[in-house]
Amino acid sequence: DTGVSQDPRHKITKRGQNVTFRCDPISEHNRLYWYRQTLGQGPEFLTYFQNEAQLEKSRLLSDRFSAERPKGSFSTLEIQRTEQGDSAMYLCASSISGGFPGELFFGEGSRLTVL
Amino acid sequence: EDKVVQSPLSLVVHEGDTVTLNCSYEVTNFRSLLWYKQEKKAPTFLFMLTSSGIEKKSGRLSSILDKKELFSILNITATQTGDSAVYLCAVRTDKLIFGTGTRLQVFP
Repeated sequence: DTGVSQDPRHKITKRGQNVTFRCDPISEHNRLYWYRQTLGQGPEFLTYFQNEAQLEKSRLLSDRFSAERPKGSFSTLEIQRTEQGDSAMYLCASSISGGFPGELFFGEGSRLTVL
Repeated sequence: EDKVVQSPLSLVVHEGDTVTLNCSYEVTNFRSLLWYKQEKKAPTFLFMLTSSGIEKKSGRLSSILDKKELFSILNITATQTGDSAVYLCAVRTDKLIFGTGTRLQVFP
C-alpha cells in the first residue's frame, strides 16, 4: 500500500498521559499536514511541513502539542498532559508542493479517546 | 480570518431525489476548491475546481465554482443509499480550510 499511513489507528489513554501519533506520507510528497476532527465538525488545520520545515501552526495548537518531521519523511504529533477535550480523530495528509494546486491525500486517521 | 461555510448542515432525502449542497468561502490567496466525501473514515477526494463556470462531472455527481460570488455547489442526481455520507468542502490556500460539512442521509 503506497498511501498515507497512520499509527496507531486507535488510542485510549487516561487524562494527563502523553500520546504520540505517527504519519508516513506518500513517498514523493514533500508536504505533510495534520488536522484534527471532532464529531460533527469538518477537519481543523493544526500544522503543516514542507520537507522538514514546519511552515505554519494553527492557533488551535496549544503548547501541549508538538509536531516534528525530522528527516522530511515521516512525522510525529505528540500531545502532552492529555485532556478530555483532546479526544478527536487526528488526520494526516500529504501532497506535492508546487505552482499547480493539487489535492491532499489523507490517511485513515488516529482516533484518540481521553478518559 | 479565512472561512468556509456549508449549507445545509443536514439533509434527509429518499432514493432517486436530486440534492444540491452549497459551499461559500472567504479566504485570502485562493488556489482551488475541493469536495470530499467522508463516510466513517478519512475524507476521500471527489473534485477539484480552479476555474469559474466549468462543471466537473463524475457519474451522478457534478460541481461548479463561481469565483466572483465565492461559492460552489455539488449536485447529486438520482441519489442512492450509498451516497449517505458527510460531504466536505475545502478551500486550498497554503493549506486546506474545511467547512463543517453537510450530512446527507438517503433512505430507500
